[in-house]
Amino acid sequence: DAGVIQSPRHEVTEMGQEVTLRCKPISGHDYLFWYRQTMMRGLELLIYFNNNVPIDDSGMPEDRFSAKMPNASFSTLKIQPSEPRDSAVYFCASRGDSVAFFGQGTRLTVV
Amino acid sequence: KQEVTQIPAALSVPEGENLVLNCSFTDSAIYNLQWFRQDPGKGLTSLLLIQSSQREQTSGRLNASLDKSSGRSTLYIAASQPGDSATYLCAVIDADKLIFGTGTRLQVFP
Repeated sequence: DAGVIQSPRHEVTEMGQEVTLRCKPISGHDYLFWYRQTMMRGLELLIYFNNNVPIDDSGMPEDRFSAKMPNASFSTLKIQPSEPRDSAVYFCASRGDSVAFFGQGTRLTVV
Repeated sequence: KQEVTQIPAALSVPEGENLVLNCSFTDSAIYNLQWFRQDPGKGLTSLLLIQSSQREQTSGRLNASLDKSSGRSTLYIAASQPGDSATYLCAVIDADKLIFGTGTRLQVFP
């Protein structure tokens, strides 16, 4: 397996634009997580899914953020409209019974 | 609410030293605990997973221990090398999700 795959690796967008981040989890993993990492707050859990169903979205900062998992092999995190304070590295991770694996992250810059 | 703390926040040592990184958590009812390494600008690489029924795990020069009753885990790095320089993160697995500590930034100089 190629591991958790995220795209794009880097995204630069203007304030107010819609941003969509994508994630392909490891095949067979039934948990998928979206995290955001900043210098100030470290790694924050935004939302996680179990068997494609959102379980806890209490970490999603605002209604501008939404996440979907239409099937077991794909998830998206959307920000609409984006703001400069959304600039961060966004990580996707997946887990089966034990070990969690992370993608390489998407570095988002909103100008 | 589970809170995870790592001490020290940063550490700089000469090559060859044995190191101990600390991780503490407030709620002992955890499922598992996982240690990660993060290089600058990169993702997280899993180092060791300790299941709640285990006391320690070893991989090469790394040894991680877990004491649930006291809410502590340690990561021991033997004979440190410059290539060990990175940020080390512990995460408690609280039922489903991973809750991360603040990280220890390690620098090993030749």
